[in-house]
Amino acid sequence: LAKTTQPISMDSYEGQEVNITCSHNNIATNDYITWYQQFPSQGPRFIIQGYKTKVTNEVASLFIPADRKSSTLSLPRVSLSDTAVYYCLVGEGAAGNKLTFGGGTRVLVKP
Amino acid sequence: IAGITQAPTSQILAAGRRMTLRCTQDMRHNAMYWYRQDLGLGLRLIHYSNTAGTTGKGEVPDGYSVSRANTDDFPLTLASAVPSQTSVYFCASRLFGGAGDTQYFGPGTRLTVL
Repeated sequence: LAKTTQPISMDSYEGQEVNITCSHNNIATNDYITWYQQFPSQGPRFIIQGYKTKVTNEVASLFIPADRKSSTLSLPRVSLSDTAVYYCLVGEGAAGNKLTFGGGTRVLVKP
Repeated sequence: IAGITQAPTSQILAAGRRMTLRCTQDMRHNAMYWYRQDLGLGLRLIHYSNTAGTTGKGEVPDGYSVSRANTDDFPLTLASAVPSQTSVYFCASRLFGGAGDTQYFGPGTRLTVL
C-alpha cells in the first residue's frame, strides 16, 4: 500500500490560494492520486484526480512532479466554505481495497 | 436523485446487540465499501465488495460482516456490538473497469454503542 503523508492542518484567509502537499514515496506505477474533501458530518467528496503532470478542473488544480513521489493540491481564491478536511489518496484503479485514507489536512479559512 | 443512501442516520445501541447498517446505491456501480471514521481521524476500510457475490476484508474487519446479494445493496452487520464500535460509518460505491475511477460516499450513519 502506498502510504501518504500530509500536513495536519493549515490556516488561510479568504481570497488566498491554498496549496497542500502530499508525500507518497512508494507510489506504484499504476497508482493514481486522488484528493477528497470532507465537511463535518458528511461523507468525503471527490475533488480531483491525476496520474502525472498537471490536472485542472473547476474546483482545483493538481500538480504532480515527474517522479510522482508527491503531489500538490491547489485551491485558488478560497472562501469560508472551503473550510474542510482534505485527504490525499494513492491507489490502483482496478482494486479499490488498496485505497487508504490518511489523517487528512484540516484547512481553516478565516475571514 | 441518483446516489447512495444509508440507514439509519444515527443509532444508539446497547452493547451485545446485533445491528445492521443499510447501504443502497442506484448508480449500478460494481464496487462498494464500508468505512468507519472515529472522531477526529481519517476513514478506515472495514470491508469491500468488488462485484455482487464477492466480498473482502479491509483494514479493520473484526466484529463486522457484510454481504452483497445484488449490485445495489451492501449491508454491514455488527453481530454483537461493543463500545469500541462507536463511530461514524460511511458506505461508498465505485464504478471501475479502468484506472483512475473514484468513490462516491453516502451521508454516513452515526452509531453509539453503550
